[in-house]
Amino acid sequence: AQKVTQAQTEISVVEKEDVTLDCVYETRDTTYYLFWYKQPPSGELVFLIRRNSFDEQNEISGRYSWNFQKSTSSFNFTITASQVVDSAVYFCALSEDKIIFGKGTRLHILP
Amino acid sequence: GAVVSQHPSWVICKSGTSVKIECRSLDFQATTMFWYRQFPKQSLMLMATSNEGSKATYEQGVEKDKFLINHASLTLSTLTVTSAHPEDSSFYICSASTVWNQPQHFGDGTRLSIL
Repeated sequence: AQKVTQAQTEISVVEKEDVTLDCVYETRDTTYYLFWYKQPPSGELVFLIRRNSFDEQNEISGRYSWNFQKSTSSFNFTITASQVVDSAVYFCALSEDKIIFGKGTRLHILP
Repeated sequence: GAVVSQHPSWVICKSGTSVKIECRSLDFQATTMFWYRQFPKQSLMLMATSNEGSKATYEQGVEKDKFLINHASLTLSTLTVTSAHPEDSSFYICSASTVWNQPQHFGDGTRLSIL
């Protein structure tokens, strides 16, 4: 069975600090996809990244970076030089035949 | 980018009413649409997967007769909450994909409040 664990329920950091959101997944499939989504207070889900199971290259997009490690079944997300606008709930998700979401990490960026 | 429109964005109605929520893919054809439910401060729980022209596949514990899903075209899926009760109050959000493993594009969600 597939499972996504986001152990950090809530994180607070001061603006401009770096912060890493952890995501650990379980799957028996060799082919799968991993996602990160952002859900701001307004409620909509914003797609951030998709990574397939055969591509372990780390990715950087502006202040965002992702570290995919199959050996530890982790797909961690780092925000560098955080900003107040980064405050949101962040969901990690795993897709085999359907997408399963982790419970989310609520991130507070304090001014 | 791909846009998914969900309507209405919020609805308040009396207990016993049936409520229909629409999910449209505006600039692409969605082979598959997904319906999720999210309680406050909780994760998204998949309710059902619908493929155009076929019956929806419901997740365990989701009542098919309570939550009717219709995916009549490649751009429209509807979720009808029949005879809604206060415990059905939640945030319902849909997503659409061209294939199962493509990034899912989400609607903005519908906040349903049953009085």
